[in-house]
Amino acid sequence: EIQLQESGPGLVKPSQSLSLTCSVTGYTITSGYDWSWIRKFPGNKMEWMGYISYSGSTNYNPSLKSRISITRDTSKNQFFLQLNSVTTEDTATYYCARCYPGITDYWGQGVMVTVSS
Amino acid sequence: DIQMTQSPASLSASLGETVTIECRASEDIYNGLAWYQQKPGKSPQLLIYNANSLHTGVPSRFSGSGSGTQYSLKINSLQSEDVASYFCQQYYDYPYTFGAGTKLELK
Repeated sequence: EIQLQESGPGLVKPSQSLSLTCSVTGYTITSGYDWSWIRKFPGNKMEWMGYISYSGSTNYNPSLKSRISITRDTSKNQFFLQLNSVTTEDTATYYCARCYPGITDYWGQGVMVTVSS
Repeated sequence: DIQMTQSPASLSASLGETVTIECRASEDIYNGLAWYQQKPGKSPQLLIYNANSLHTGVPSRFSGSGSGTQYSLKINSLQSEDVASYFCQQYYDYPYTFGAGTKLELK
């Protein structure tokens, strides 16, 4: 069974970086698919943030392009989100997910991140 | 970016009723549309992809239709376990974008 699990701090200070890890079991992230980060804001708006493909290429939402980085550790079957210079507007529930070509068939349970001093 | 306008924002229906949720794209998305169900405290679950293909394991009372810029999700014979939020997502073009969601409640 494919499972994705997000982990990381639930509270980040404004202007700092948000870093999250997605651990994948049941499927090797280099075997196929795009491995995405998606967030849901308070008020329920959803935003696709970007992905790292099975080959290691990345694609980011232009609205975040200057602040976002998605990387991976293939030895641990994990991929990561880093979002720099966060503000309170980055407060959201962050999901990692498996997608192709945008169809998201597996989601993590989500991790709530609050940006606050 | 392609804007996805979803309606209604909330919906109240009775058990056994048929409900329809709509999504309108700001441009033609050539059936690059998925529907998801999300229950409180849970992660979203894929229901429909390619506008009208039922995902594995999804009950057949769920169906999707549409083309061009107009798409809909229909739930036949509403069950209590269908109480959830539903949202659409286009994946025809980057960045992928989502509808604002529809909260479905029992009347």
